[in-house]
Amino acid sequence: KQEVTQIPAALSVPEGENLVLNCSFTDSAIYNLQWFRQDPGKGLTSLLLIQSSQREQTSGRLNASLDKSSGRSTLYIAASQPGDSATYLCAVTKYGQNFVFGPGTRLSVLP
Amino acid sequence: GAGVSQTPSNKVTEKGKYVELRCDPISGHTALYWYRQSLGQGPEFLIYFQGTGAADDSGLPNDRFFAVRPEGSVSTLKIQRTERGDSAVYLCASSLMGGGNNEQFFGPGTRLTVL
Repeated sequence: KQEVTQIPAALSVPEGENLVLNCSFTDSAIYNLQWFRQDPGKGLTSLLLIQSSQREQTSGRLNASLDKSSGRSTLYIAASQPGDSATYLCAVTKYGQNFVFGPGTRLSVLP
Repeated sequence: GAGVSQTPSNKVTEKGKYVELRCDPISGHTALYWYRQSLGQGPEFLIYFQGTGAADDSGLPNDRFFAVRPEGSVSTLKIQRTERGDSAVYLCASSLMGGGNNEQFFGPGTRLTVL
């Protein structure tokens, strides 16, 4: 059974810092990995989708990498801003199967 | 264009009652997913539709939970004889195609509270 963990559970940084969020999964036979952002009381907003054949994806200040063989992904946020404060979740799937989510990392960026 | 919408946004019911939660996916998306999220946890998969049929319902916790998507667009999650443990946020997502090879887009969720 696939299990997804995220470290750290919570993170507080001053504005302007670069930071890394970690996601680990136990079954490396994934089809893709997706990073999401969730604001309090809201649904999930998709940030980046990485196919299993890819090693990274970039969008603006965000960069996500995938190392399938070691069961790890990282989300790098450059020059963090208070508006980046949210919970960040990663999710993995095998082809034709459901997504399995991690518990999330709660990020606070202090002005 | 319009995103995924869910109604109601909040639902409070009493233990033992029946509830229906509705999801309107993005137009043209063939795949639709239901998840349940408890406080402080990531979403937990419930059921996945490809078109009108349930391709994977392995996440439904028991036979009190049922979902339909009769015309391949709108879906309804139905919960019979609700229990306090059913209280959670129920999230719906859609993707252009199924099979886990497409980006999922989520609705805002329905917060269900069972008293």
